[in-house]
Amino acid sequence: NAGVTQTPKFQVLKTGQSMTLQCAQDMNHNSMYWYRQDPGMGLRLIYYSASEGTTDKGEVPNGYNVSRLNKREFSLRLESAAPSQTSVYFCASNHFITEAFFGQGTRLTVV
Amino acid sequence: RKEVEQDPGPFNVPEGATVAFNCTYSNSASQSFFWYRQDCRKEPKLLMSVYSSGNEDGRFTAQLNRASQYISLLIRDSKLSDSATYLCVVNHPADSNYQLIWGAGTKLIIKP
Repeated sequence: NAGVTQTPKFQVLKTGQSMTLQCAQDMNHNSMYWYRQDPGMGLRLIYYSASEGTTDKGEVPNGYNVSRLNKREFSLRLESAAPSQTSVYFCASNHFITEAFFGQGTRLTVV
Repeated sequence: RKEVEQDPGPFNVPEGATVAFNCTYSNSASQSFFWYRQDCRKEPKLLMSVYSSGNEDGRFTAQLNRASQYISLLIRDSKLSDSATYLCVVNHPADSNYQLIWGAGTKLIIKP
């Protein structure tokens, strides 16, 4: 069972570079989420998608864009990376009121 | 007030002790409740779903009190391997769907 697959696992960017984090789930879940987690902090919601074709801002959306390409895939794009975006990024998915499943995370460093 | 609040940590307890975590939520329409465990810088993993009747899995017991809007997690006979951050999460209606709301987590440190 693949569950939630996130790529890449690690990435180093220079300030101003752009990149896209990919996330795919094979559980036919409606909802997908992108979180960031800074050291010693809790999960902070960047964007979520309740269904294919819909996206909504979370707590910390500035500097990010998302795309729900289809039911399986939800990508997160950093258009112009900044050092403040150095963090661990997690993608998750769930179906209505069921539990969430997470990808293994992307450790992003912006220098 | 945060939508989901957990006990501030860290909890430092000796091996073999019993430890209890509490979590309160503000939305009375919340539908489902979970406890997750997160090891350092790894993805959160489901520990237990929480049912209104309470549920037990080995050394772990979870309880839900809808009237008072809190959930709890009890760990008995704690092991060194229980050291982790424990996250409470609540699922409540949002527009025509549901949204997960996470607590900030409580760090547990088990000492030998």
